[in-house]
Amino acid sequence: DTGVSQDPRHKITKRGQNVTFRCDPISEHNRLYWYRQTLGQGPEFLTYFQNEAQLEKSRLLSDRFSAERPKGSFSTLEIQRTEQGDSAMYLCASSPRTSGRNEQFFGPGTRLTVL
Amino acid sequence: KNQVEQSPQSLIILEGKNCTLQCNYTVSPFSNLRWYKQDTGRGPVSLTIMTFSENTKSNGRYTATLDADTKQSSLHITASQLSDSASYICVVSEGYKLSFGAGTTVTVRA
Repeated sequence: DTGVSQDPRHKITKRGQNVTFRCDPISEHNRLYWYRQTLGQGPEFLTYFQNEAQLEKSRLLSDRFSAERPKGSFSTLEIQRTEQGDSAMYLCASSPRTSGRNEQFFGPGTRLTVL
Repeated sequence: KNQVEQSPQSLIILEGKNCTLQCNYTVSPFSNLRWYKQDTGRGPVSLTIMTFSENTKSNGRYTATLDADTKQSSLHITASQLSDSASYICVVSEGYKLSFGAGTTVTVRA
């Protein structure tokens, strides 16, 4: 399967714990995005990478959130000291450099539940 | 206030029937407007992409329309199938930034 993959698919954690999610974009896609989606809502933009550079972070991304894309390929999203309000689906998407329409291809998401 | 509003919030239709979903947006300027299908627990999958100069775009039984003057778009599903049961999300693009609607949940019943 050459689509965007995310790991894990589901994560249950206790409040106060740290969690880390991984996203593997489509090969050779240089742009990578993280979104958060709560029940009944559309995804909300969190952050955007072009290659290894993090070019924009939403104000939704508090100090407890950090994202990296060290070699311009896979990316990780870490949440420190999780809170119940962090419970959501975390989606990753990627798009190729040549896509004038910026068509983003989404992964299956990581469902986070904070108890 | 969300810049992309969708209606209805949900609808139920019988298999084989048609339905139309609505999207109003205030995002301006925009690069393109997309409709995504999202199955429960999965990531969104693109159905159609239209630039502001395109009025309609089809993908099989899905037909999207765009009126850039009134800032309205619709998604028409023809001869619905059980597999069409999903959330349909209207997305407006400003460059790399996407503004998502809350989605319309469609349930197709046999």
